[in-house]
Amino acid sequence: QVQLQESGPGLVKPSETLSLTCTVSGGFISSYYWGWIRQPPGKRLEWIGYSRYSGSTIYNPSLKSRVTISLDTSKSQFFLTLSSVTAADAAVYYCVGGGGWLPDHWGQGTLVTASS
Amino acid sequence: EVVLTQSPGTLSLSPGDRATLSCRASQSISRNYLAWFQQKPGQAPRLLIYDASVRATGIPDRFSGSGSGTDFTLTISRLEPEDFAVYYCQQSSFSPLTFGGGTKVEIK
Repeated sequence: QVQLQESGPGLVKPSETLSLTCTVSGGFISSYYWGWIRQPPGKRLEWIGYSRYSGSTIYNPSLKSRVTISLDTSKSQFFLTLSSVTAADAAVYYCVGGGGWLPDHWGQGTLVTASS
Repeated sequence: EVVLTQSPGTLSLSPGDRATLSCRASQSISRNYLAWFQQKPGQAPRLLIYDASVRATGIPDRFSGSGSGTDFTLTISRLEPEDFAVYYCQQSSFSPLTFGGGTKVEIK
C-alpha cells in the first residue's frame, strides 16, 4: 500500500519560493509518476505536474515557468518548488502518485498560505 | 486544455436514493481516461472510478461509471450516509490534466 506524506512550511511570503517535500512509503519511487495537485479555497483542483525516475517531467503550462518537481530516490522523496509566490498560490497542496497519469495515490494535503 | 463541466452543482437527496452525476468534456476524451473522485471535508480526494467505468480497489459496487467521448456519468445506486460528499471528474488523456468543478451530494 503506497502512502504519501507532505511536509514543508505552511506560510510563504509573497515573491518568495514555496518548497514542499513528499515522502513515499510502501512503493518503489522508480516505478511511478510522482507529482503535485493543489486546491485553492473554494476552487477546483489544479494539476501542477509530474516527474518520473527517468528524469522526464511534465508541467501545467499555466505554472511551467515557476515550477520544478524533482526526485531523490535514495530517500524515497520528491519535491515541489514554486517560485515568485503570490496570494493566488494559497491552497492545499497534495502530493500524488500513479502508474500512469491517473493520480491514484494521494497524500493528506498541506495548507500553504502566502502572506507577509 | 480540456474543460470538464459537472452538473448539477448540488444534489439534495435522502439515504437510499439513487444519485446520477454528469460530467461533460469540451473535447472527446481519448481511451476514456476519465476518473471520478470523492472528497469529504478535510480529506484528500479518493479515487472511485477510472477509465470511465472501472471501480478502484475497495470501492463498493453501488458506485458505477459509464459514458464515452464527451459525456460521462457517475451513478450511486443507493446512497449510504457516508456517500454525502463532493464528487469530481478528472481526465488523464491530455496535458494539462484537468478536473471538473465538482458536484456536492447533500442530505435532503
